[in-house]
Amino acid sequence: SQQGEEDPQALSIQEGENATMNCSYKTSINNLQWYRQNSGRGLVHLILIRSNEREKHSGRLRVTLDTSKKSSSLLITASRAADTASYFCATARGSNYKLTFGKGTLLTVNP
Amino acid sequence: DVKVTQSSRYLVKRTGEKVFLECVQDMDHENMFWYRQDPGLGLRLIYFSYDVKMKEKGDIPEGYSVSREKKERFSLILESASTNQTSMYLCACRWGNSPLHFGNGTRLTVT
Repeated sequence: SQQGEEDPQALSIQEGENATMNCSYKTSINNLQWYRQNSGRGLVHLILIRSNEREKHSGRLRVTLDTSKKSSSLLITASRAADTASYFCATARGSNYKLTFGKGTLLTVNP
Repeated sequence: DVKVTQSSRYLVKRTGEKVFLECVQDMDHENMFWYRQDPGLGLRLIYFSYDVKMKEKGDIPEGYSVSREKKERFSLILESASTNQTSMYLCACRWGNSPLHFGNGTRLTVT
């Protein structure tokens, strides 16, 4: 079964609004990463949060991690039409930091 | 920036054919990965390699093999293509335990 599960599966918002996506996982992790995928392209790394961190920021992105609840959230503030993409969380586990991806959230930002 | 190049964006093959998917990276990263991506299933790891001539099975290796003769090149081989191997194939690399760098994918259709 998938280690990471994103919620919701799809999200549609207006430009300028904030978008929040959640990720839940099952076992202990070394770190959690968020990736973005534009339609028909490869994934691009957005942000990494280590298991001993609770919050991290990068530009308009804010990631939180709650290891007690085994969950993470990705917040995109002041969204733009160009943010339209699929967003995946990936958990790194074990000595070789094996990455397991969730199924993704499809975000649509309407202009 | 790391560049990961997959030799074909689109490929159409017949059932039973031997198929080679090629991936080249330009940053001397020791770790390389092959994933497949299917709707509703997310990304699943097929094989990975942590050095030249070294390989390990991922979560779904059946029906696939890999080759890594040079550090920059990681090939995925479908010995006898089947229709259930129709999918998007993504190659990725990383240095140590850093985040993954992905290619743009090869969309393979087996008829």
